[in-house]
Amino acid sequence: AAGVIQSPRHLIKEKRETATLKCYPIPRHDTVYWYQQGPGQDPQFLISFYEKMQSDKGSIPDRFSAQQFSDYHSELNMSSLELGDSALYFCASSHSGGIRETQYFGPGTRLLVL
Amino acid sequence: AQSVTQPDIHITVSEGASLELRCNYSYGATPYLFWYVQSPGQGLQLLLKYFSGDTLVQGIKGFEAEFKRSQSSFNLRKPSVHWSDAAEYFCAVVGRDDKIIFGKGTRLHILP
Repeated sequence: AAGVIQSPRHLIKEKRETATLKCYPIPRHDTVYWYQQGPGQDPQFLISFYEKMQSDKGSIPDRFSAQQFSDYHSELNMSSLELGDSALYFCASSHSGGIRETQYFGPGTRLLVL
Repeated sequence: AQSVTQPDIHITVSEGASLELRCNYSYGATPYLFWYVQSPGQGLQLLLKYFSGDTLVQGIKGFEAEFKRSQSSFNLRKPSVHWSDAAEYFCAVVGRDDKIIFGKGTRLHILP
């Protein structure tokens, strides 16, 4: 079965650079969630989109922005990167907008900021 | 506020032994509960979920979990672990504000 696809899988950036992470949800899923997992930490919710509109916002820094496109894929844009942004970034998708719908996670993008 | 507690940061069991990973939640109403597994450097894979109905939930890879409202627990069990089960396990709850909250995780080590 098709799963959530994230690209790139690994990314190395320097401080103050920008990064764009992409997420392709499971076909027919209309909701996308972004999470950040620091080393040894549990995943923290950043932001979610339902039908291309932002549906919820968590602990996402102002330096980050995200959007969901007409084909339901989503991009997380990160600017002015800081060392503390080094983490594993997960995307998850679900069907029909309710967060109580099961979320299926992608493999993650590991971002390293030097 | 909703919260999830996984009291054991690390657990070590021998291959073939039984396993129980503890999860306690704090939530006023009936929660939606999940267990995810994360292998090193990998994403989160859903093992099982509880929404309502039968309190004993069967998942993938031979795992099961039992929802006990009286104890606010949703412990994960497996009768006989395999070396490939070594991973980090996250319990999660979705509460009234529709946010998913993860526990801090339990890292499972398997002895040969």
